[in-house]
Amino acid sequence: QKEVEQNSGPLSVPEGAIASLNCTYSDRGSQSFFWYRQYSGKSPELIMSIYSNGDKEDGRFTAQLNKASQYVSLLIRDSQPSDSATYLCAVTYTGNQFYFGTGTSLTVIP
Amino acid sequence: NAGVTQTPKFQVLKTGQSMTLQCAQDMNHNSMYWYRQDPGMGLRLIYYSASEGTTDKGEVPNGYNVSRLNKREFSLRLESAAPSQTSVYFCASSEWGANYGYTFGSGTRLTVV
Repeated sequence: QKEVEQNSGPLSVPEGAIASLNCTYSDRGSQSFFWYRQYSGKSPELIMSIYSNGDKEDGRFTAQLNKASQYVSLLIRDSQPSDSATYLCAVTYTGNQFYFGTGTSLTVIP
Repeated sequence: NAGVTQTPKFQVLKTGQSMTLQCAQDMNHNSMYWYRQDPGMGLRLIYYSASEGTTDKGEVPNGYNVSRLNKREFSLRLESAAPSQTSVYFCASSEWGANYGYTFGSGTRLTVV
């Protein structure tokens, strides 16, 4: 069973703070890792992808991958109320069948 | 630039009724997927089509059938709806390969009573 685990939250941070979202996965054969953002009542939207160990930055978002620890994280700097959403971690093992975590709900408090 | 279009957006069915959810993409993607999303369960893969002419079962295929009509269209059929199929259904598309993320449709909210 390929598992992707996330804390469901809710995670609350004040506006301007750093939000840290975490994800662990069970299969060491995992190849690629993605973060999706999902606003309430909307569809998931791809925001970050990472394939190798280390950090990848895109604007206010940084994805971090540690394959030895089977751990991937997403940092959101200078958090804004518009970042309030559920963040889904997704992992792919072969081809591009994704396995999704259940998501972490983030609330940014003005 | 429509991306992935799903119809209908909302549907209420009675137990035992059938229906087809439609999905079309205009991004020339090879691969298409159907997921369901339930509270506390996350997104679960129902069926996928790696390329035109092929379909395969995902994690939760029971009670569903699919048709890859052409490269653009991938439909999901419920032959005899059950209350356990009450869910939000998402269609997605991508290029085939581990480095490509999905583009999702806007979803269909289905209630079976």
